[in-house]
Amino acid sequence: QKEVEQNSGPLSVPEGAIASLNCTYSDRGSQSFFWYRQYSGKSPELIMSIYSNGDKEDGRFTAQLNKASQYVSLLIRDSQPSDSATYLCAVPRTGKLIFGQGTTLQVKP
Amino acid sequence: DARVTQTPRDKVTEMGQEVTMRCQPILGHNTVFWYRQTMKQGLELLAYFRNRAPLDDSGMPKDRFSAEMPDATLATLKIQPSEPRDSAVYFCASGLGGGDTEAFFGQGTRLTVV
Repeated sequence: QKEVEQNSGPLSVPEGAIASLNCTYSDRGSQSFFWYRQYSGKSPELIMSIYSNGDKEDGRFTAQLNKASQYVSLLIRDSQPSDSATYLCAVPRTGKLIFGQGTTLQVKP
Repeated sequence: DARVTQTPRDKVTEMGQEVTMRCQPILGHNTVFWYRQTMKQGLELLAYFRNRAPLDDSGMPKDRFSAEMPDATLATLKIQPSEPRDSAVYFCASGLGGGDTEAFFGQGTRLTVV
């Protein structure tokens, strides 16, 4: 089992819809969780951090954490074509930041 | 302007040559990560430093890769000799804290070994 797992996609949604991206992790002791966005040919950019169970909202983005089930998700409301990118889930483990393979999101006009 | 700076942005080299990539972390950050990204493997952690000390380089091929942090403002990743399979984008990222904090990425070095 990989330490951090994501469906590689692509996930295709129409403009204005809600995009739901999921990530599962193996280490029950993990306390911090991060979502990065990476546009093609660019570097990963931190967009959300979440540390406690429940939801955290930032504009059109909501991160959801369920430690008991060991998953973290990212919801993007009112998806825009500019949201088309690869979304990477990252979980620290013993000081190292471990990334999932990323989910490619395509938002179609 | 607080950001991680990597040089060079692009590097094309012949097989067998030495390659050196440099990274200037965000001022004040005490943790530096080196990652390699390929389509097949995604983002792989090669090595990381905290307070300039190497903590883990288990992701690096030891026979040809080396990572150092000669001072708090400079981290280097060297490949000698380079091979075509080393072709990838190499990212440096820096962070602040004891290991549970986020990291901020540089723009990357795109390495092509021919």
